[in-house]
Amino acid sequence: DAGVTQSPTHLIKTRGQQVTLRCSPKSGHDTVSWYQQALGQGPQFIFQYYEEEERQRGNFPDRFSGHQFPNYSSELNVNALLLGDSALYLCASSLYGDTINEQFFGPGTRLTVL
Amino acid sequence: EDKVVQSPLSLVVHEGDTVTLNCSYEVTNFRSLLWYKQEKKAPTFLFMLTSSGIEKKSGRLSSILDKKELFSILNITATQTGDSAVYLCAVPPSGTYKYIFGTGTRLKVLA
Repeated sequence: DAGVTQSPTHLIKTRGQQVTLRCSPKSGHDTVSWYQQALGQGPQFIFQYYEEEERQRGNFPDRFSGHQFPNYSSELNVNALLLGDSALYLCASSLYGDTINEQFFGPGTRLTVL
Repeated sequence: EDKVVQSPLSLVVHEGDTVTLNCSYEVTNFRSLLWYKQEKKAPTFLFMLTSSGIEKKSGRLSSILDKKELFSILNITATQTGDSAVYLCAVPPSGTYKYIFGTGTRLKVLA
């Protein structure tokens, strides 16, 4: 049973560039959430996708955008990178529902902005 | 504003010691509280607590929730070096799909 996978594992970019991170959810899951984890901090919610639509968004600027594909995989795009965007980006998958369903996390992508 | 606060921020113990990690929360219409262990990158699920006073156990780890006082504790008995990790507490406010995480407690267990 494949868990959540993310690619790439590491990425180095310079200020002003754009980046795309990818996530494949755990088998059977249909919902993908993205989190940003700065060094020494807990994960911060960016947004969640379900049925190819952004269902909820956290306090992140429009430079952060996403997409979900029919196979439930997802991408996170960040434009006009800033030094402060350097962080571990975590993808979490779950099953849609009104009740709280446990989110399963991927290994993350470490983004460094120089 | 919804928030989750964990304490202590970091902890260093020796193998065999017992540790207690704390998580307090203020969220709108509480539904559940989750504990995760983060060793390298991916947080891995430990417990989900929804009812007050009911202890969840898994081996040497246990957790309990106090909905009246708005906190949870995670206990680890007979610690081992493999318990070294960051322990995260998360709460999903009602009416949202996100988790609000605390900053985590960094535990280091010395041999």
